[in-house]
Amino acid sequence: EIVLTQSPGTLSLSPGERATLSCRASQSVSSSYLAWYQQKPGQAPRLLIYGASSRATGIPDRFSGSGSGTDFTLTISRLEPEDFAVYYCQQYGSSQYTFGQGTKLEIK
Amino acid sequence: QVTLRESGPALVKPTQTLTLTCTFSGFSLSTSGMCVSWIRQPPGKALEWLALIDWDDDKYYSTSLKTRLTISKDTSKNQVVLTMTNMDPVDTATYYCARVYGDYDYWGQGTLVTVSS
Repeated sequence: EIVLTQSPGTLSLSPGERATLSCRASQSVSSSYLAWYQQKPGQAPRLLIYGASSRATGIPDRFSGSGSGTDFTLTISRLEPEDFAVYYCQQYGSSQYTFGQGTKLEIK
Repeated sequence: QVTLRESGPALVKPTQTLTLTCTFSGFSLSTSGMCVSWIRQPPGKALEWLALIDWDDDKYYSTSLKTRLTISKDTSKNQVVLTMTNMDPVDTATYYCARVYGDYDYWGQGTLVTVSS
């Protein structure tokens, strides 16, 4: 089973700043099967990025994804107040999906 | 529009079997490439993938929970059912179902299941 490790666990930033979230896989992941989700308290996760770098419908262009192999990154170019949430990466491989443990993005 | 709703007991006792139903609308599980999946999230913890069923009735399970899970579908009723046997307090979580059409693009609101005697 592929393990996804996200870092940092918590990221404290101010609105307007740039956020860089990391997701590292224990073995190579197909870029086609790497996704990012945002989750706010009391809500279901929301798909942000699929295929490592494609934005889902309705996602603002300040969100971008990149990476390949075992290292993937979610970047939020300029943080808006509504972006403070928990972010999860997810991969699919060998008939299994796995999620990372999440990065909490909090207001500094 | 696409909607999914989870239903089932809010409280189960240890050793009991949990049965959850995902009722959906706005898409058909007969469509090629369409899937429905179950994911759970213990309070304050990360998401954990549980199972997935596809349009062709192929089923996939979490390796760690495979022996306890069964997923099935009733296409005519637009429902997917997940059963989990031998429930334990560590299984206390919010259980989500989600549509998977390439990616997990629509999610239900989740249902909290507490395991306690």
